[in-house]
Amino acid sequence: DGGITQSPKYLFRKEGQNVTLSCEQNLNHDAMYWYRQDPGQGLRLIYYSQIVNDFQKGDIAEGYSVSREKKESFPLTVTSAQKNPTAFYLCASSLRTGAHNEQFFGPGTRLTVL
Amino acid sequence: AQKITQTQPGMFVQEKEAVTLDCTYDTSDQSYGLFWYKQPSSGEMIFLIYQGSYDEQNATEGRYSLNFQKARKSANLVISASQLGDSAMYFCAMREVYNQGGKLIFGQGTELSVKP
Repeated sequence: DGGITQSPKYLFRKEGQNVTLSCEQNLNHDAMYWYRQDPGQGLRLIYYSQIVNDFQKGDIAEGYSVSREKKESFPLTVTSAQKNPTAFYLCASSLRTGAHNEQFFGPGTRLTVL
Repeated sequence: AQKITQTQPGMFVQEKEAVTLDCTYDTSDQSYGLFWYKQPSSGEMIFLIYQGSYDEQNATEGRYSLNFQKARKSANLVISASQLGDSAMYFCAMREVYNQGGKLIFGQGTELSVKP
């Protein structure tokens, strides 16, 4: 079955640690996105990638980093510079960028800082 | 300025009745897409329905329809014959062609509760 997988489902981080969230898709989509959701809120864009080996900052990129070495994979690293990382993180992909393709989402990762 | 506005933080509907969730948007682009997503308590975002800015007919997908009024910049979701499994958060979102790779811009969401 085609889809997007994210791991782990739950992640606990100590202060000062970097952690990496995995996102893999087998939909052959060019574009991939990382969003952050805080309680009771909509989603906000962290980073996006339109093509392999290229990615751009979104609205709230500070304290995060990404890579796009393969079309299928778009991992997100939450660094110690991110002051308030406790949130729900969702990865998405779409066939291409632009206004008229739906984005499909993975199941998400809940990150908690201890 | 808010690009997507959902004015109903919470809604109740009786099972088997229809319900309308409101969404207004703001853009100066001619080409854009409007989307509705459902988010159950598990957290996953489930795509429901899409409306393109050039589409003249309202989109429909099963029990979901989108009431698109372009001049008023509104894109309300109508759920017919509500079911208990429809209880969830619902988000309206927009994509603009040249805005950050076509990111989704989300509203604050509406929490729908279906009563038996």
